[in-house]
Amino acid sequence: GENVEQHPSTLSVQEGDSAVIKCTYSDSASNYFPWYKQELGKRPQLIIDIRSNVGEKKDQRIAVTLNKTAKHFSLHITETQPEDSAVYFCAASTNFGNEKLTFGTGTRLTIIP
Amino acid sequence: DAGVTQSPTHLIKTRGQQVTLRCSPKSGHDTVSWYQQALGQGPQFIFQYYEEEERQRGNFPDRFSGHQFPNYSSELNVNALLLGDSALYLCASSPEQGNEQFFGPGTRLTVL
Repeated sequence: GENVEQHPSTLSVQEGDSAVIKCTYSDSASNYFPWYKQELGKRPQLIIDIRSNVGEKKDQRIAVTLNKTAKHFSLHITETQPEDSAVYFCAASTNFGNEKLTFGTGTRLTIIP
Repeated sequence: DAGVTQSPTHLIKTRGQQVTLRCSPKSGHDTVSWYQQALGQGPQFIFQYYEEEERQRGNFPDRFSGHQFPNYSSELNVNALLLGDSALYLCASSPEQGNEQFFGPGTRLTVL
């Protein structure tokens, strides 16, 4: 089955700097890669996703890149703000998300004011 | 639109008991997936329901079972509870032809 590895497990950056979180996946059939943000005690919230036919996607300060050959994808957050502090999870799925999501182990991002 | 809702929010049970958790999907969504999230870990897929049938299942024992009703709402049942079943149980809904899975607030289950 699919295995998703996520690094780093914790990340601290100064407010205004950029943060990068990286994930690798094992199943070449995976074709949908969402990123979720989970604040303490809250539900995971989808912040951005990418399909395998796209190499990069951007939404304001957030971007995701996908390298299918290397089987890795990354989340980039620019101009970080204190409200970006949370745990971020990457995930992978086949059938463009209509099947199970396999999650990474999470990255705790702390923005230092 | 209320989004995905789950009940109850918290639950305390003892070992060996049985529990039923409930989920109402987002309006317009017909597919419901259940995930278990242990403290400090990512969600783990339990199973997915579509058209009242279990469509896909993760690596969970038969003690975990589910149901989907004609109105697309769903239940997760866990029998013979173990201490290790203590976790946040998340329900996610999605439209059949869509990508995104939207999560509910979860049910925090504590097994003593």
